[in-house]
Amino acid sequence: VQLVESGGDLVQPGTSLRLSCATAGFTFDDFGMHWVRQSPGKGLEWVSHISWNSGTIEYADSLKGRFTVSRDNAKNSLYLEIRSLRVEDTALYYCARVGGTNTAFDIWGQGTMVTVSS
Amino acid sequence: QSVLTQPPSVSGAPGQRVTISCTGSNSNIGAGYDVHWYQHLPGRAPKLFIFGDRYRPSGVPDRFSGSKSGTSASLTITGLQTEDEADYYCQSYDSTLSGYVFGSGTKVTVL
Repeated sequence: VQLVESGGDLVQPGTSLRLSCATAGFTFDDFGMHWVRQSPGKGLEWVSHISWNSGTIEYADSLKGRFTVSRDNAKNSLYLEIRSLRVEDTALYYCARVGGTNTAFDIWGQGTMVTVSS
Repeated sequence: QSVLTQPPSVSGAPGQRVTISCTGSNSNIGAGYDVHWYQHLPGRAPKLFIFGDRYRPSGVPDRFSGSKSGTSASLTITGLQTEDEADYYCQSYDSTLSGYVFGSGTKVTVL
């Protein structure tokens, strides 16, 4: 089972970025997925959740409006688009799988770094 | 400010028992939502260590245990080992926020 994030970059404030999470080793469309981020020196912060069929999509209240989560089950991939990037969006972004029989985040990727700076 | 409060750090000598608390409210832990615990080593992916309040995934040593009572949960390490040095986070769901929440994180140091 493997989750591999990509797409992180050094970008200027106000720009957009699309992160990807490629998965392997399990039946992707059987599982919901999350995005979680960790800003430098800070703790883990939940960003978004998408159900197996994209029927349920949730975002952290503080992030609604600029973040869009999506998935392509045919490509076994998860995405996160971030618009109007702010300095405070600087963080390591992780994708994580929802546990099969519980709500835990049971498998995590290594993360992709987004740095927002002028 | 995290919805779930954890002590910033706990420490103990090898072989000792340490407990990490996770204090929430009636909209998360107290509402009956499951509490999960993760170990996070610097530069590594977080790892699920306890799910559903008290269950260990395969491969997690049995010196780790979880419990929940009222609006709080705890992670206990019985027989602390040097490889247990890491950051630990609790996590649950909050009905007021309609979202998932993490604790503030606790750094475990083995003296």
